[in-house]
Amino acid sequence: EPEVTQTPSHQVTQMGQEVILRCVPISNHLYFYWYRQILGQKVEFLVSFYNNEISEKSEIFDDQFSVERPDGSNFTLKIRSTKLEDSAMYFCASRGGQGDNSPLHFGNGTRLTVT
Amino acid sequence: GQNIDQPTEMTATEGAIVQINCTYQTSGFNGLFWYQQHAGEAPTFLSYNVLDGLEEKGRFSSFLSRSKGYSYLLLKELQMKDSASYLCAVKRSGNNRKLIWGLGTSLAVNP
Repeated sequence: EPEVTQTPSHQVTQMGQEVILRCVPISNHLYFYWYRQILGQKVEFLVSFYNNEISEKSEIFDDQFSVERPDGSNFTLKIRSTKLEDSAMYFCASRGGQGDNSPLHFGNGTRLTVT
Repeated sequence: GQNIDQPTEMTATEGAIVQINCTYQTSGFNGLFWYQQHAGEAPTFLSYNVLDGLEEKGRFSSFLSRSKGYSYLLLKELQMKDSASYLCAVKRSGNNRKLIWGLGTSLAVNP
């Protein structure tokens, strides 16, 4: 069964550095998402992407964050000038275009630790 | 505001039945999802309800009452592997359609 893949599985970075989290969504999916989950807290929506542009973003997704689809398969999340509170699990998700009830398929996540 | 409430923790015995409730208050409603999340792993899709009533899928069933802003996930014949967090997520209607997630219910299945 096709799946969403994310790399790296773990990323440790120093405060102030930039990180790029990578995702390969399921190939025939049209909608892409980034979520994050701070340890012990709820899943939080960051951004959705459709037709090569951001379709929706949360208040968390400020100028520190950006997304890109550099080619036909990858979907990246860049976090600039990382802060301690950016430490979290970051999940990429995708879904097909078969209506609003098509479920999200999540990748296994990237655990980001900012020291 | 947007609010989804679920019990924080539940405990049940292997082989038993457990019901996990979710109440929601959101601006607009366009469906409710249940996801399962094992510790340290990604959420995986369990069910979707948009109309009132019960949707059954194997050992898992999900119920929705839109007028009451209420859903539950019913797990039958519990197995140890069902120990996980169960997340309720509501999709709103209109232009702002992102999912609103509950905090999740941590279910522990004991032998």
